[in-house]
Amino acid sequence: EVQLVQSGGGLVKPGGSLRLSCAGSGFTFSTYSMNWVRQAPGKGLEWVSSISSGSDYIYYSDSVKGRFTISRDNAGNSLFLQMNRLRVEDTAVYYCARVYESSTYASGYWGQGSLVTVSS
Amino acid sequence: SSELTQDPAVSVALRQTVRITCQGDSLRGSYASWYQQNPGQAPVLVIYGKNKRPSGIPDRFSGSSSGNTASLTITGAQAEDEADYYCNSRDSSSNRWFFGGGTKLTVL
Repeated sequence: EVQLVQSGGGLVKPGGSLRLSCAGSGFTFSTYSMNWVRQAPGKGLEWVSSISSGSDYIYYSDSVKGRFTISRDNAGNSLFLQMNRLRVEDTAVYYCARVYESSTYASGYWGQGSLVTVSS
Repeated sequence: SSELTQDPAVSVALRQTVRITCQGDSLRGSYASWYQQNPGQAPVLVIYGKNKRPSGIPDRFSGSSSGNTASLTITGAQAEDEADYYCNSRDSSSNRWFFGGGTKLTVL
């Protein structure tokens, strides 16, 4: 069974940093691209970042580029999101997601979500 | 523009057919994927690629596309289909992904 288990959310002050982790199991982690998607309270889904299976291709939304860094450790079956210079508007539930098939961009498996609250 | 536009709310009578649409320039060169989300839960992929359903998704869910518009059709809507639905596509020119604003489906 494919599982994505997230950790690392919490409360942080504006300008602070936080690192989210996502541990994958039940599949060959190194063969799938991974995504981070967030959802602000009461709002819709927003794509944050994507990373290819071998970390060759990395993309960010304009809203986080230059502040967030996506990375992965294929040996440890883990995905990360390092969030620096956090802003109040970064407050959201952050989901890690695995593409459904290697040949598609659609996110077919999702973590349980990690709440990040940026507040003074 | 790479934005995706959805109607904020749609309603359907029980066991009737409903179509949820998504418009955007990126849809001309890329298939949309569709997600169902219930309150407090992670999204669930219901349609991807050219009308493909992930394992476990009922066949009453189908997808289609024409020009800059993608559609999710539920044929014979059930009470458990009441949820928020989001479309998503990739803009190949910018390598960015976009979600529509979401459609809240009410089953009457």
